[in-house]
Amino acid sequence: DVKVTQSSRYLVKRTGEKVFLECVQDMDHENMFWYRQDPGLGLRLIYFSYDVKMKEKGDIPEGYSVSREKKERFSLILESASTNQTSMYLCASSFPERSYNEQFFGPGTRLTVL
Amino acid sequence: GNSVTQMEGPVTLSEEAFLTINCTYTATGYPSLFWYVQYPGEGLQLLLKATKADDKGSNKGFEATYRKETTSFHLEKGSVQVSDSAVYFCALILNTGGFKTIFGAGTRLFVKA
Repeated sequence: DVKVTQSSRYLVKRTGEKVFLECVQDMDHENMFWYRQDPGLGLRLIYFSYDVKMKEKGDIPEGYSVSREKKERFSLILESASTNQTSMYLCASSFPERSYNEQFFGPGTRLTVL
Repeated sequence: GNSVTQMEGPVTLSEEAFLTINCTYTATGYPSLFWYVQYPGEGLQLLLKATKADDKGSNKGFEATYRKETTSFHLEKGSVQVSDSAVYFCALILNTGGFKTIFGAGTRLFVKA
């Protein structure tokens, strides 16, 4: 069974803290994605990666960075967490190139920044 | 630009009612179209897809037909169950390359017993 796992389901952090969200997939997918999900806004792409050490900005990259040192792992970093980064964060992966390829999602991390 | 518009929710239905969730899109190329479902406490999972005009995607009793002339991909089910309660997302990927999926805002469905 294919799987995308995220390091935490729930996380509470304080303003100014550095936050790491980890995502691991076991499907040997080249593409990996980080989204945030907010009510009424759907999913918004933060960053994506199409290969190890490669990254591209999505629609809302400000305040975030990413790291992809190994093919199976894609990390999202909040350098200095702020309250407006309170959200649900979803990781996904897919095979490259074919536009009809579905994305496989992890269960999400609900982050609260106090 | 490219975008996906879904009907606003929540949609509340009784068990065995007919479901339609409207989805229209704007795209500069020739997209593939998807419906994803998110059950409570879980990530999204693919429900069905269609890769070209007039294709019909179907799964678990849900159907959607890719209508190029109306740029629509409405989701339908003839008889909903309580277990169908979830958030449904319409999405597209352009066939002209790139890796981005564009999602609609999502429509929450509640099904009452």
